[in-house]
Formats: sequence, structure tokens, C-alpha cells
Amino acid sequence: ILNVEQSPQSLHVQEGDSTNFTCSFPSSNFYALHWYRWETAKSPEALFVMTLNGDEKKKGRISATLNTKEGYSYLYIKGSQPEDSATYLCALGGSGGGADGLTFGKGTHLIIQP
Amino acid sequence: NAGVTQTPKFRVLKTGQSMTLLCAQDMNHEYMYWYRQDPGMGLRLIHYSVGEGTTAKGEVPDGYNVSRLKKQNFLLGLESAAPSQTSVYFCASSGSGETQYFGPGTRLLVL
Repeated sequence: ILNVEQSPQSLHVQEGDSTNFTCSFPSSNFYALHWYRWETAKSPEALFVMTLNGDEKKKGRISATLNTKEGYSYLYIKGSQPEDSATYLCALGGSGGGADGLTFGKGTHLIIQP
Repeated sequence: NAGVTQTPKFRVLKTGQSMTLLCAQDMNHEYMYWYRQDPGMGLRLIHYSVGEGTTAKGEVPDGYNVSRLKKQNFLLGLESAAPSQTSVYFCASSGSGETQYFGPGTRLLVL
């Protein structure tokens, strides 16, 4: 069973500020790293899938980086807005890339304060 | 295009009762998954399927059975429910084996 750690567990950020949080994972036998956004009372929604060391992905004000050699990924949110409030999940895909399921971290719960 | 749907949305069971949770997807995806979400835990994989007629165990399969008789449906069965199975159950599907698309969840309470 892979160990995926996310920090911090929760985060309060003022509207307009930028923020980032971390996903740590075993650097050996890496295949794919997924980020999901999960709003209360909704389903988790895919943000990014990253597979290569040094990968950077961007979607609007949200971006992510990947370091497979040291086993971490950062998720950045620029100019936080109230609609960014959600739990952000990180997940590892196994040797099947994710076909045999994902191993999720516990998530970072982000609250944007107006 | 409804994506991934789950039935029922909420259910209360007594210990020892059985039930089946239904997951349906209309995206023609090969891969389907059942996860459970418990407080303080990440989503944990129960069972998964890489194609019609195939199933495999995930991280926490005990007490559950699954079937994938049709490509679009993935059923999760509880033969004899236990209070430890009180949870929120999420189904997901994937076309490529990468990005997974989640259903809205089924909240199950076992008394």
C-alpha cells in the first residue's frame, strides 16, 4: 500500500492571497500523480494528471508541479477566490497508471475567507 | 450525458441485512472503481474492474462483493452489513486508466 501524505490538513487563506500545499509520496516506483478538487456535497473533480519529473500543469489560477526524484508535488492557487474553497486531494496511480485504482491522501481542506 | 450515477443516494440498514449499490456510467469507459470515504481517511479502494466480466480486489475488499456483467454497470454488494461499513461510497470510471470521473456518492448507515 502506497503512503500518500498531504499537508497541511487544513488552511485558511484571505481572499486575494496566493497559497500552496504539498503532496508527498514514495519516490520509488512512481507512475502517475493526480490532483482532484472536492467541493462539499459534490463529487471529486479531476484537476491534473502528471507523470514526468519536472512536469508543470496549469488550469486558470491553479497550477501544480511534480518532483518524482524527491517524491513531492505542490499545488498553487494564485489570487484565491471564495469559490476555491474545497478539499484538494492528491492521489498516486500504481503500475497500471491508475487502471488498478488510485491511492489517495487525506486531502487539504482550503477555506477562503472574504 | 449523465456521466457517473449512483443508486441509491442514501440508505439505512440493520446489521446483517444485505444490499446492492448500483453504479452506472454512460461514457463507454472500460475501468470502474468503488471507493469508500470515512472521516479522517482518504478515499480507499474497495474493488475495481478493468473491463466487462472482470473484477479485482482493492485495498479494503473484505465484506464486499462486486459484479460487472455489463460494461456500463458496476455493482457493489454487502451480503451481511456491519456497523463498520457505515460510510460514503463513491463509484468512479475511467476511459484511459488515468483520470477518474466520480459519481455523487451513496451514504450508507448500518445500525
